Amino acid sequence: DTGVSQDPRHKITKRGQNVTFRCDPISEHNRLYWYRQTLGQGPEFLTYFQNEAQLEKSRLLSDRFSAERPKGSFSTLEIQRTEQGDSAMYLCASSSLVTGTGVSPLHFGNGTRLTVT
Amino acid sequence: EDQVTQSPEALRLQEGESSSLNCSYTVSGLRGLFWYRQDPGKGPEFLFTLYSAGEEKEKERLKATLTKKESFLHITAPKPEDSATYLCAVQAEGRRSGGSNYKLTFGKGTLLTVNP
Repeated sequence: DTGVSQDPRHKITKRGQNVTFRCDPISEHNRLYWYRQTLGQGPEFLTYFQNEAQLEKSRLLSDRFSAERPKGSFSTLEIQRTEQGDSAMYLCASSSLVTGTGVSPLHFGNGTRLTVT
Repeated sequence: EDQVTQSPEALRLQEGESSSLNCSYTVSGLRGLFWYRQDPGKGPEFLFTLYSAGEEKEKERLKATLTKKESFLHITAPKPEDSATYLCAVQAEGRRSGGSNYKLTFGKGTLLTVNP
């Protein structure tokens, strides 16, 4: 178990450019989440996948953002026409499907830090 | 809307000086309350899950407790390596169809600094 892996760790881009981030979850986890964190704030929920199905998108996720999880394995998060306000740490997390209480902790990767200049 | 408020925002302790961090929450039915530790430039690291009022969990110098309105993270005789941001998050009860509610709502965290 190598944990949740995210790539790249850092990305600097100019305003208006498109960027794509990749997340590889823990292999046996079927739930995958994207969160965004800005300085001094806690992580904010963006979107959630169960297997390959995207089950919820936050209203924070404008139409410039799109996420995919083909075949229920890795996931990508793409931001089109980046804006300076998109600068943040983008965190990916995964968890297993737990019956009974239905509670399973999220395990986070180390994030991709995006800077839009 | 689920809300999580953590206090204090920052806490500076001397090595060995015990203290507590607070997490107050408002949620429409609590499924679980989570504590995470986050080091600079890294993702949150899972510490504890608490499910119901009165529950306690311990790990090394950390002990988490839960009431119906708040949770405390007690740090006993802290060491400099305990310095980090501690995040609290709640998961609310949700629809049963297709599984439980899945989203965590986080507080802003408490930045703990332990000086040698």
